[in-house]
Formats: sequence, C-alpha cells, structure tokens
Amino acid sequence: EAQVTQNPRYLITVTGKKLTVTCSQNMNHEYMSWYRQDPGLGLRQIYYSMNVEVTDKGDVPEGYKVSRKEKRNFPLILESPSPNQTSLYFCASSFSGSSYNEQFFGPGTRLTVL
Amino acid sequence: KNEVEQSPQNLTAQEGEFITINCSYSVGISALHWLQQHPGGGIVSLFMLSSGKKKHGRLIATINIQEKHSSLHITASHPRDSAVYICAAYSGGGADGLTFGKGTHLIIQP
Repeated sequence: EAQVTQNPRYLITVTGKKLTVTCSQNMNHEYMSWYRQDPGLGLRQIYYSMNVEVTDKGDVPEGYKVSRKEKRNFPLILESPSPNQTSLYFCASSFSGSSYNEQFFGPGTRLTVL
Repeated sequence: KNEVEQSPQNLTAQEGEFITINCSYSVGISALHWLQQHPGGGIVSLFMLSSGKKKHGRLIATINIQEKHSSLHITASHPRDSAVYICAAYSGGGADGLTFGKGTHLIIQP
C-alpha cells in the first residue's frame, strides 16, 4: 500500500531532551516536507527536500533540523525541544521535486514538550 | 508572501444541502490545493487545480485565476463530509512551499 509513515504518533517529552520524528514513504517520491499545525495558525512548513541531499528551510525552521540521506526517509530532529514546539507535525511527499503536485500526508505526530 | 484567506471559518448545515467553501489568495499562483482533514487528524488531498474546474464524485473545485479565487462545492452533503477543509496555494519559483488557509470547519447534521 502506498503510504507515508511517521513515528512516533504521540510523544510527550521534556525541555532539552533531543528527539527525532521519523518519516518514510514507499512511493519513490522526490519531494518531502515537514509541517506543523497549531490552533489558529493552520499548517506551516518547517523544512522541505526536493531530492536526496537537497534540503531547504520553510517558513518556521528555527529549532529544527532535517536530513535526506535516502530518497524514502526524511527525519525531523529537535536538538533541544522547547514548549513552543508542542504541536501536531505532518510529513508529506509528492512525486516531483516541488509542492506543485498532489501531496501525500503522513498520519501526524502529536508532540508535547513539558 | 502569499496571503490565503478562507471563508467561512465554521459552517453547520443539514444533510443534503449544497455546500460552498471559498478561498482567496493575494499573489498569483501556479497551483491551488484543496485538502480534507478528518476528525481523527489525518489529511487527504482532494484536488490540485491550476485552472478551470475539477470534479470527483460529489465534490467540485473551481478556480478563477484572474480573480485569485477558488471554491470547493459539495453536492448532496452527508454527515461523513464533516471535516476541516483547507486550501493551500503554491506560488512556484524561488523558495518552494505551500501557503495554507486556516481551514473551514464543516459539520453536516443528519
């Protein structure tokens, strides 16, 4: 089944404890992206990748890192999480190297930073 | 930076009604996406439009490039259509990325 998977789905952590949210897609998509969704603010892009080893900042990249060593994986790293990173996170992918085409979303990761 | 506005923010209707959700944007775009977010949180892509009109089942999406406006219509609405509907604009060029509207929360009552 074609899908985007994220792990973990739920995470409660404490300030400063490094964490990684994994994202994997099995559709051989070039483009992958991370978004956060907050009440009243909607979805905002954190980082995106147009292909392997090509990543760039989105609208709200502060406090996050990403890497794209393989086409299928695009992990989101929070080196020192803070409470303002409490949010619902979505990974998405699409066929071509841009947001032009249909986006396929992962199920979301609900992160709480205490 | 593109500004994307959706209206209404909230909409409650009776089963069977014709629903219209509007999306306007401030800067010319290459594509406009309509997304559906289920009550459980998952997001599904409904349409990608660059011009004209698309139809899928009871859903119809239209876009007017000159007026910078798109609409999502639901015919014969059903309680299972209850969800948040989000439009997202892709401007292309330069920094990539989608600019999202804040969503329209739709409730269809039986």
